[in-house]
Amino acid sequence: AQKVTQAQTEISVVEKEDVTLDCVYETRDTTYYLFWYKQPPSGELVFLIRRNSFDEQNEISGRYSWNFQKSTSSFNFTITASQVVDSAVYFCALETNAGKSTFGDGTTLTVKP
Amino acid sequence: DAGVIQSPRHEVTEMGQEVTLRCKPISGHDYLFWYRQTMMRGLELLIYFNNNVPIDDSGMPEDRFSAKMPNASFSTLKIQPSEPRDSAVYFCASSYRLNPDNEQYFGPGTRLTVT
Repeated sequence: AQKVTQAQTEISVVEKEDVTLDCVYETRDTTYYLFWYKQPPSGELVFLIRRNSFDEQNEISGRYSWNFQKSTSSFNFTITASQVVDSAVYFCALETNAGKSTFGDGTTLTVKP
Repeated sequence: DAGVIQSPRHEVTEMGQEVTLRCKPISGHDYLFWYRQTMMRGLELLIYFNNNVPIDDSGMPEDRFSAKMPNASFSTLKIQPSEPRDSAVYFCASSYRLNPDNEQYFGPGTRLTVT
């Protein structure tokens, strides 16, 4: 069985603050994929990043960065200099090599002006 | 490409009625997923297909739910009979396995309300 835990249900920050969203996963598979998706108030789900289990290299994309640590089964997401438009629900997800996905419960991020 | 297309966008029906949700995946994608999103249970994978074949339907809540994919460009999720607890947003997503990013492209969702 696999599980994704996003312990932070809601986070509220003031614009320009940095914020880190935590994601911890459980799986017995040796090959798997980790994702982050964003769901803005409009409701659509937007892909942000994918990492496979063999690639622990951290990644930075603009104000977004991701820290993947297999030793702690974590795949955390940091937004630097947050903006109001970053307000959304963020989902971490785990996908097996066979294609089965498990999503965390999501973290609702509110960025106040 | 138009992206993943779902219809209807909103559906209101009475308890006991049959409901059919439709999805057209992105052309060329070989995986199709059906998800349900509720406040109580979050985002749940119901079933997914690879090359039109159902691979894992362990997320389908009960026999009232069924899904089909008769061809590469069309899938349906049917609820018969519907119940108020089925009220949720149902997302369809598709992906191309060999895409290096392997991301799932989500449709806009169908908001189902069962009264």
